[in-house]
Amino acid sequence: DGGITQSPKYLFRKEGQNVTLSCEQNLNHDAMYWYRQDPGQGLRLIYYSQIVNDFQKGDIAEGYSVSREKKESFPLTVTSAQKNPTAFYLCASSHRLPANTGELFFGEGSRLTVL
Amino acid sequence: GQQLNQSPQSMFIQEGEDVSMNCTSSSIFNTWLWYKQDPGEGPVLLIALYKAGELTSNGRLTAQFGITRKDSFLNISASIPSDVGIYFCAVQNYGGSQGNLIFGKGTKLSVKP
Repeated sequence: DGGITQSPKYLFRKEGQNVTLSCEQNLNHDAMYWYRQDPGQGLRLIYYSQIVNDFQKGDIAEGYSVSREKKESFPLTVTSAQKNPTAFYLCASSHRLPANTGELFFGEGSRLTVL
Repeated sequence: GQQLNQSPQSMFIQEGEDVSMNCTSSSIFNTWLWYKQDPGEGPVLLIALYKAGELTSNGRLTAQFGITRKDSFLNISASIPSDVGIYFCAVQNYGGSQGNLIFGKGTKLSVKP
């Protein structure tokens, strides 16, 4: 079945360590996104990519990095520079504009806890 | 950046009651969407609205795109326990630091059996 897969679902990290969250999709979507979710804050955009080898910063990109070497994959690295990394991270994909009708397909999320 | 004002922030209702939530913006948008997030999952699209004044239903859910293109509401009739979750409104954006969609902060719905 087509879908978007995030891993791991739960991750614990010590302060000062980098960690990489995986996101893979087989929906043949050009655009992929990373959101951060904190209680009561909604969904805040970290990075997004409209096409392979290109990506743009979202509203809260500081302390994060991404790569887009393949259409199917958009990994997110949470670096030690991110001051408050404990959160629920959501990856999504969609068709590119103008074909994009507004529907994003989300993964099941990765919950990162910094100890 | 642009912001959507979604209300209420949370609702606690009895099973069988109707629910209403809304979303407003200070700017005009041409596409309004409603997503639902089940606990521990990613959001899923419920309803998409593409025309001002449009009223669209999906089972017990009804959503309207405001005639001014600055607001939308979502109604749920005869709520059931599986309606529990967070409901997000969203509007289609066109790039920039907010990406292709701008989300409201969500309405958290709790249903008491």
